[in-house]
Amino acid sequence: EVQLAESGGGLVQPGGSLRLSCAASGFIFSNYWMNWVRQAPGKGLELVGHINLDGSGQQCVDSVKGRFTISRDNAKNSLYLQMNSLRAEDTAVYYCARATRTPDNWGQGALVTVSS
Amino acid sequence: DVVMTQSPLSLPVTLGQPASISCRSSQSLVYSDGNTYLNWFHQRPGQSPRRLIYKVSNRDSGVPDRFSGSGSGTDFTLKISRVEAEDVGVYYCMQGTHWPWTFGQGTKVEIK
Repeated sequence: EVQLAESGGGLVQPGGSLRLSCAASGFIFSNYWMNWVRQAPGKGLELVGHINLDGSGQQCVDSVKGRFTISRDNAKNSLYLQMNSLRAEDTAVYYCARATRTPDNWGQGALVTVSS
Repeated sequence: DVVMTQSPLSLPVTLGQPASISCRSSQSLVYSDGNTYLNWFHQRPGQSPRRLIYKVSNRDSGVPDRFSGSGSGTDFTLKISRVEAEDVGVYYCMQGTHWPWTFGQGTKVEIK
């Protein structure tokens, strides 16, 4: 069974940093591109970015470019989202999702709250 | 960025009756490999999104056959042939053809 489990969420002050992790199991992690998608409270879904198979290439959307970085460790079956210079508008549940153009499996999400 | 426009945004339905959600894109979603990367997701309150349909009309494993997807180019539709109580929630279309991938605003389905 495919499983994705995010961790690392929490409360952080504006301007602070946080690193989310996504532990993958039940499939060959290195065979899949991976996405991060977020959902602000009561709002819709927004792509954050994706990363290729070996981690040599990652892209983030303009709203987080230069502040967020996606990485992965295939040996540990893990995906990461490093978030720096956090803003109030980054408050959201962050999901990792398998596969890029057609994300088929999603984690349960990690809540990140940016507030003083 | 490609804008995905769903309608309606709210859809009250009667149990056992059909329902239909429209999703229109601001550009054609046909990719250079010939595929059209249009997906549909269902999200129940407090849960993660679940993919129902990928590449316009392919139903995911375990998805009831009362769900169907259709369309081409810029115009797509998700249909539920007979709505059941478990179908409530928000439905999103998403395009994976043009970077960055974008989602529709969501359509909230509720029982009348």
